[in-house]
Amino acid sequence: ETGVTQTPRHLVMGMTNKKSLKCEQHLGHNAMYWYKQSAKKPLELMFVYNFKEQTENNSVPSRFSPECPNSSHLFLHLHTLQPEDSALYLCASSQGRAEDYEQYFGPGTRLTVT
Amino acid sequence: EDKVVQSPLSLVVHEGDTVTLNCSYEVTNFRSLLWYKQEKKAPTFLFMLTSSGIEKKSGRLSSILDKKELFSILNITATQTGDSAVYLCFHTGKLIFGQGTTLQVKP
Repeated sequence: ETGVTQTPRHLVMGMTNKKSLKCEQHLGHNAMYWYKQSAKKPLELMFVYNFKEQTENNSVPSRFSPECPNSSHLFLHLHTLQPEDSALYLCASSQGRAEDYEQYFGPGTRLTVT
Repeated sequence: EDKVVQSPLSLVVHEGDTVTLNCSYEVTNFRSLLWYKQEKKAPTFLFMLTSSGIEKKSGRLSSILDKKELFSILNITATQTGDSAVYLCFHTGKLIFGQGTTLQVKP
């Protein structure tokens, strides 16, 4: 596979469930990102990892928990979500810091919280 | 408050028209400004701008930055239906996206 892949592509979960989103990049990049895209709102940065170290956490509620075990993989662990968390979750990667390099995005996971 | 504002929010044109999309910003610590195109889900990179007055060009698309007036424009000439998408501007000072301009090109 090439580029940035995300699984699952669609997810429906209840508010009491625990699930995880997975992102994998095959580009040899060193930075990875999670974004949330809700209807009628700009793409919102959630988390940034540079060389596996978290460097940004944009006041994201603790019900979202990221994990970056290596430079190629990024997870977003979800628990006790709210209906307003329903959105498209996009993963991205870049060669280096976002200030200096363009990001490559995955196809996203469409999450619906019931 | 740091912000990135794009205009117009939506635009409908006919094939062959030329469009100009705007991105203005009020963000501290400027590093660069990027443009992306989002057709279905995954945004794809178009341009990175770091210096004022230097036009970046790729085929029918071009973009320029004005760091004094704090804005960038994206031009698309001879539009085609395949240009229909959401165009996003991204400021790397605070890692902020604008709300996007939805462009629809009619045959």
